[in-house]
Amino acid sequence: KAGVTQTPRYLIKTRGQQVTLSCSPISGHRSVSWYQQTPGQGLQFLFEYFSETQRNKGNFPGRFSGRQFSNSRSEMNVSTLELGDSALYLCATCQGMSNNEQFFGPGTRLTVL
Amino acid sequence: AQSVAQPEDQVNVAEGNPLTVKCTYSVSGNPYLFWYVQYPNRGLQFLLKYITGDNLVKGSYGFEAEFNKSQTSFHLKKPSALVSDSALYFCAVISVGYNFNKFYFGSGTKLNVKP
Repeated sequence: KAGVTQTPRYLIKTRGQQVTLSCSPISGHRSVSWYQQTPGQGLQFLFEYFSETQRNKGNFPGRFSGRQFSNSRSEMNVSTLELGDSALYLCATCQGMSNNEQFFGPGTRLTVL
Repeated sequence: AQSVAQPEDQVNVAEGNPLTVKCTYSVSGNPYLFWYVQYPNRGLQFLLKYITGDNLVKGSYGFEAEFNKSQTSFHLKKPSALVSDSALYFCAVISVGYNFNKFYFGSGTKLNVKP
């Protein structure tokens, strides 16, 4: 099986711009979660989508949003970028049952200048 | 509130020695526990999980972890460390029945294995 893919791998934006990140799950995986990883804050949960519905949400401002398509692919959008949004954004997918481990993509490295 | 604590930012061990990376958790309800490893510029890779049953769980690359309910701990162990084990290790927990499929991750522990 192909692994979790994330595009793009690297992105440079300036403050105030918006960005869209994409995640394609492993075939058969219906749950997609997004995380923000920074050196100081570790791994922070953004949200989780299952069958095109947001099932869980972390404590991030409304500038961070996401969606999931019928083929389980997911996108994450960040509007009005701030310097503090610079991070590695990780996508993780699983079949959807709570005892399943998540499989992570390689991440998208976002730099905001 | 659900949380995971990895009390050590960094663990240093010599190659061939046993290693332990500590993890404690706080959840409402029964926990599902996981360990992941992250190599530089890579995503996280699954190592092992505890769902139910035997408290000693064996995983990838010779790692194992012991679930201790009374101490709410899930420490990662390996009998003999390799230099290639040097990486960032994350403990994670799901609280069964609460916030379905929402993983709570620890802050990570950097493992340094010296030759």
